[in-house]
Amino acid sequence: GAGVSQSPRYKVAKRGQDVALRCDPISGHVSLFWYQQALGQGPEFLTYFQNEAQLDKSGLPSDRFFAERPEGSVSTLKIQRTQQEDSAVYLCASSSPYPGGSYEQYFGPGTRLTVT
Amino acid sequence: AQSVTQLDSQVPVFEEAPVELRCNYSSSVSVYLFWYVQYPNQGLQLLLKYLSGSTLVKGINGFEAEFNKSQTSFHLRKPSVHISDTAEYFCAVRYNQGGKLIFGQGTELSVKP
Repeated sequence: GAGVSQSPRYKVAKRGQDVALRCDPISGHVSLFWYQQALGQGPEFLTYFQNEAQLDKSGLPSDRFFAERPEGSVSTLKIQRTQQEDSAVYLCASSSPYPGGSYEQYFGPGTRLTVT
Repeated sequence: AQSVTQLDSQVPVFEEAPVELRCNYSSSVSVYLFWYVQYPNQGLQLLLKYLSGSTLVKGINGFEAEFNKSQTSFHLRKPSVHISDTAEYFCAVRYNQGGKLIFGQGTELSVKP
């Protein structure tokens, strides 16, 4: 596709519900990142995939957060038993080593999660 | 710890005036530096990047930034701003090829007529 897409764009969940957020990266991009952006803050790293391998999940805030990318393309971020502090915008980015090794990250529009 | 500090949370400025948004990062042997812009309810758009080479980097929409290794800074500048530049600006650093970005807290640029 032309860019990174994310769905849904908006999600309202009641506390305790499970949610799944989807990211479609740019076709052919090897790397995929998830970030969490709380209101009025900069994005914070959650996790990183290279193809289907999850190479870094050091930013996941708790074991309620789980991400997967089973075929090295689409990724899903799942949050179990949502809490109010999970309310944030979840950004997905993909990157490629080309051109010129820049590894520039291209961001999707984000999913705004509100936990009530 | 690796960190990025944006020294101003809000910068109000009049249209056609110059602006500088400040960014400092924690020192490292090699860094890759970025400025992103975020318009309301949108994702992040890359303004410019420093990977290596010339320390003065030019980006889109008339923005430029200068990498200063001794000061560990990467300040963003524009000589004349427009109303349409009103947005949130984020400085980010990457400490290795292909790795995660570490973002500053953001600077809200508000351009007034």
